Amino acid sequence: DTEVTQTPKHLVMGMTNKKSLKCEQHMGHRAMYWYKQKAKKPPELMFVYSYEKLSINESVPSRFSPECPNSSLLNLHLHALQPEDSALYLCASSQDPGYNEQFFGPGTRLTVL
Amino acid sequence: AQRVTQPEKLLSVFKGAPVELKCNYSYSGSPELFWYVQYSRQRLQLLLRHISRESIKGFTADLNKGETSFHLKKPFAQEEDSAMYYCALKTTPGAQKLVFGQGTRLTINP
Repeated sequence: DTEVTQTPKHLVMGMTNKKSLKCEQHMGHRAMYWYKQKAKKPPELMFVYSYEKLSINESVPSRFSPECPNSSLLNLHLHALQPEDSALYLCASSQDPGYNEQFFGPGTRLTVL
Repeated sequence: AQRVTQPEKLLSVFKGAPVELKCNYSYSGSPELFWYVQYSRQRLQLLLRHISRESIKGFTADLNKGETSFHLKKPFAQEEDSAMYYCALKTTPGAQKLVFGQGTRLTINP
């Protein structure tokens, strides 16, 4: 399996809801990333996990809570989001932290009402 | 702070014509530069990186440290090259953070 998968593809949630985004890779990669991409904008880094430990948090609000249960799985827990959080959330992985090539998933399209 | 600038949001050329997508960066050290591409309804993927000096799908890019540029070029555009192209920067070897430019949407007209 040489792909990064993300579920769900689409998610609509209210501002009081709690939901989670899931990302999975079976390439043996030891670094995983969450990006946020607004329409017609480039991806912006949110979090980096390196060997299952959080290594970078780009000053993301606490309503976004990442979790890396094991080396293949990355979750993003969402709580009390705002409408401006609506975006495409991309997951990526790379062989090592700092390795040149990042492999991206297809993204989860999130709409906050 | 590190920054990547892609001056053209949109670029349209005819099939068979040469293509050049511009990328300039701001970083005082020795950067690692990349081009990522996103075809319609596909995921973002790496096109090429400067350290490997390779040619992928006919595209090449040379790092010019004097001009702080990493322009992407192809001598003869093909319709399947239509896509969104992002230039990206890593500040140091081994750095975990990838900084993207704003992107250029390339359209190849038949």
